[in-house]
Amino acid sequence: DAMVIQNPRYQVTQFGKPVTLSCSQTLNHNVMYWYQQKSSQAPKLLFHYYDKDFNNEADTPDNFQSRRPNTSFCFLDIRSPGLGDAAMYLCATSRVQGRTGELFFGEGSRLTVL
Amino acid sequence: AQSVAQPEDQVNVAEGNPLTVKCTYSVSGNPYLFWYVQYPNRGLQFLLKYITGDNLVKGSYGFEAEFNKSQTSFHLKKPSALVSDSALYFCAVRDDSNYQLIWGAGTKLIIKP
Repeated sequence: DAMVIQNPRYQVTQFGKPVTLSCSQTLNHNVMYWYQQKSSQAPKLLFHYYDKDFNNEADTPDNFQSRRPNTSFCFLDIRSPGLGDAAMYLCATSRVQGRTGELFFGEGSRLTVL
Repeated sequence: AQSVAQPEDQVNVAEGNPLTVKCTYSVSGNPYLFWYVQYPNRGLQFLLKYITGDNLVKGSYGFEAEFNKSQTSFHLKKPSALVSDSALYFCAVRDDSNYQLIWGAGTKLIIKP
């Protein structure tokens, strides 16, 4: 089945130790998103790619970076994780930005910072 | 400013009873409305959407939602709740300025046997 796959599902890191989370999709969607979700709150958009065009939300900390080397893969890099970065990180895709299609989410990567 | 509100943090329903999860919105133009469900430690799953057309929208897992323009509401409903419906439900509206979703705070639905 076509899907969005996130790895790892659970990541434990130490304060300040860089982390990379990955997302792959077999849906061939143009748009890929990274969301941060804390404690069953609403997901917060960090950034998204429309094809190779990168769009950063204004309030996304510089500590968060992203790469999309090809259509299928997208990475979230947290350069120096702090305790406040502990959260569920959700990757999602959609067919075309600006259309009315729904988002397809992966299962998430839960980050713990010690 | 565009916004969406879910007035209930938690809704408790007995199994077999009808359920309603409330959502109201505020947009400048025609609303594009969505419901998503999230089970514990899982990603979000799309349930249904309203773009245009019939005010009653049917979605996955037996859920439906009623769009009410005069009340600016898009309540999620199900005629007979199952224990497995227990989850976190998010309402969202599309932001016309950038086409991203504006999310409600979420409503925890608990179905008791």
